[in-house]
Amino acid sequence: AQKVTQAQTEISVVEKEDVTLDCVYETRDTTYYLFWYKQPPSGELVFLIRRNSFDEQNEISGRYSWNFQKSTSSFNFTITASQVVDSAVYFCALSEAQRGGNQFYFGTGTSLTVIP
Amino acid sequence: SAVISQKPSRDICQRGTSLTIQCQVDSQVTMMFWYRQQPGQSLTLIATANQGSEATYESGFVIDKFPISRPNLTFSTLTVSNMSPEDSSIYLCSVAKLNTEAFFGQGTRLTVV
Repeated sequence: AQKVTQAQTEISVVEKEDVTLDCVYETRDTTYYLFWYKQPPSGELVFLIRRNSFDEQNEISGRYSWNFQKSTSSFNFTITASQVVDSAVYFCALSEAQRGGNQFYFGTGTSLTVIP
Repeated sequence: SAVISQKPSRDICQRGTSLTIQCQVDSQVTMMFWYRQQPGQSLTLIATANQGSEATYESGFVIDKFPISRPNLTFSTLTVSNMSPEDSSIYLCSVAKLNTEAFFGQGTRLTVV
């Protein structure tokens, strides 16, 4: 079974629009960690955020914000006032403490295109 | 944090040959991970490489096809053996200290012709 689901395969927005990338996860662990990574066209994976299962506080970092809701097993990512440089593939990932917290399960990714 | 150097960054190989990918980390880590990212796809874990023991392979991956070495706490290699065009992918080395974010190498873009 897929542990991390990113239902949106591709999204296109016009520059300065807000966009939300959805992530739904599945785990039986009570302690787990959620992540978002950005993969620009150059291919490297850039870490954006880490959240543990006991911290449901939403987080804002500049134009980025994350909404973690355990009740719906979701960890959504919003980009405000999108820019062309935000164009990339974004991956949501899960690691489980039961498995040592080192192994990551990645979603299938959402390809975001920001049109100037 | 961890800085990971992966070599080669890309290669074009003939089918039937093998390629060894190297991964060097700037600090000692117990576990290193190898992922495959097929074109337009997500990352799939191939195996976990522990220093001093055999690598642990995920379902669908076998040692004969993807032998892994882990001679010390800062280095690992992944070999893609007897390659076919279906092996064309990005291969990524990763480290993740307990309950922290994972760090990735730049990846090796492999094309098999």
